[in-house]
Amino acid sequence: AQKITQTQPGMFVQEKEAVTLDCTYDTSDPSYGLFWYKQPSSGEMIFLIYQGSYDQQNATEGRYSLNFQKARKSANLVISASQLGDSAMYFCAMRGSRGGYNKLIFGAGTRLAVHP
Amino acid sequence: NAGVTQTPKFQVLKTGQSMTLQCAQDMNHNSMYWYRQDPGMGLRLIYYSASEGTTDKGEVPNGYNVSRLNKREFSLRLESAAPSQTSVYFCASRDREGNEKLFFGSGTQLSVL
Repeated sequence: AQKITQTQPGMFVQEKEAVTLDCTYDTSDPSYGLFWYKQPSSGEMIFLIYQGSYDQQNATEGRYSLNFQKARKSANLVISASQLGDSAMYFCAMRGSRGGYNKLIFGAGTRLAVHP
Repeated sequence: NAGVTQTPKFQVLKTGQSMTLQCAQDMNHNSMYWYRQDPGMGLRLIYYSASEGTTDKGEVPNGYNVSRLNKREFSLRLESAAPSQTSVYFCASRDREGNEKLFFGSGTQLSVL
């Protein structure tokens, strides 16, 4: 069975510092994809970054990078130079290769607070 | 620049009432999805539509029905609402297989009393 675990219910960071949000996953699929989404207080879900299981390099999107450690089954999100606008809920998600996108599953989320 | 539009944003129902949540996207996307978000549980897939004219069950379909009215619109219906269906509902769309990015609507907060 596929599972996403986010062990940090809440995190805080000082503005301009970097922060790592943890995500571990479990799957028996040989091919899978990992995602991070941001949910600000306004409620919408915003796509941040994607990592394919066969990608050789860690994904980066601006200030976001995904620290992908396949052997440890972890896909941590690193936010560099935190900004006040980064305060939000962050969800890790995974897509398996069987059944495609309809099998996208989400973790419980981590609430990040950025302090000035 | 509307993207995915959901209506209504808030709704309160009594147990046993019915209602339809509307979703429309203006990005010409093929696939559309309905998720529910409960505290501490992330998002769970209710139903999805891989293309116009097709719908399939997701992880938690019981108590719901869907209609892919056309390529733009994908509605979610609660025939007889129950308190367990109190949740935040999200519609999402994706343009094609291989494009991993989901676009989400702003959500509908539903309370069933």
